[in-house]
Amino acid sequence: GENVEQHPSTLSVQEGDSAVIKCTYSDSASNYFPWYKQELGKGPQLIIDIRSNVGEKKDQRIAVTLNKTAKHFSLHITETQPEDSAVYFCAATGSGGYQKVTFGIGTKLQVIP
Amino acid sequence: KAGVTQTPRYLIKTRGQQVTLSCSPISGHRSVSWYQQTPGQGLQFLFEYFSETQRNKGNFPGRFSGRQFSNSRSEMNVSTLELGDSALYLCASSPNNPGQGETQYFGPGTRLLVL
Repeated sequence: GENVEQHPSTLSVQEGDSAVIKCTYSDSASNYFPWYKQELGKGPQLIIDIRSNVGEKKDQRIAVTLNKTAKHFSLHITETQPEDSAVYFCAATGSGGYQKVTFGIGTKLQVIP
Repeated sequence: KAGVTQTPRYLIKTRGQQVTLSCSPISGHRSVSWYQQTPGQGLQFLFEYFSETQRNKGNFPGRFSGRQFSNSRSEMNVSTLELGDSALYLCASSPNNPGQGETQYFGPGTRLLVL
């Protein structure tokens, strides 16, 4: 089955700096890679996603890049703000049929004002 | 549309008891997935239901079970609770098939503490 590794597990940045979270996946047939943000006391919420026919996608201060050859994808947050502090999860799925969604272990991001 | 709702939000049980958690998906969504979230383990997939049928199952013991009703609402049951079952249980809904690239929408979770 699919295996998703995520790092770092914790990340502290100064407000205004950039943050990068990286994930690798094992199933070369996976074709959908969402990123979720989980704030304290809430369920994860989708913030951006990318499909395997695209190399990069941006949405204001966040962007995701995908390298299919190396089987890794990354989340980039620029100009970080205190409200970006949360746990971020990457995931991979979509290799055909009724596959489960496999999540990374999560990255706790702390933005220091 | 109303989001995914889960009840109860918090539960305290003792070892050996059983518990039932409930999830109401977004209106029109037919797929419901359940996850167990613990510190250091991330989100572990329990099972997924679609049209009242379990379509996918994770690597959890048979003490964990679930079902889905005709209105797409879902329940999960954990029997003979163990201390290690203490976790946040998350429910997520999607229109038809999250394994094919559909966005999953998560509920706030049920926090279960086993004493």
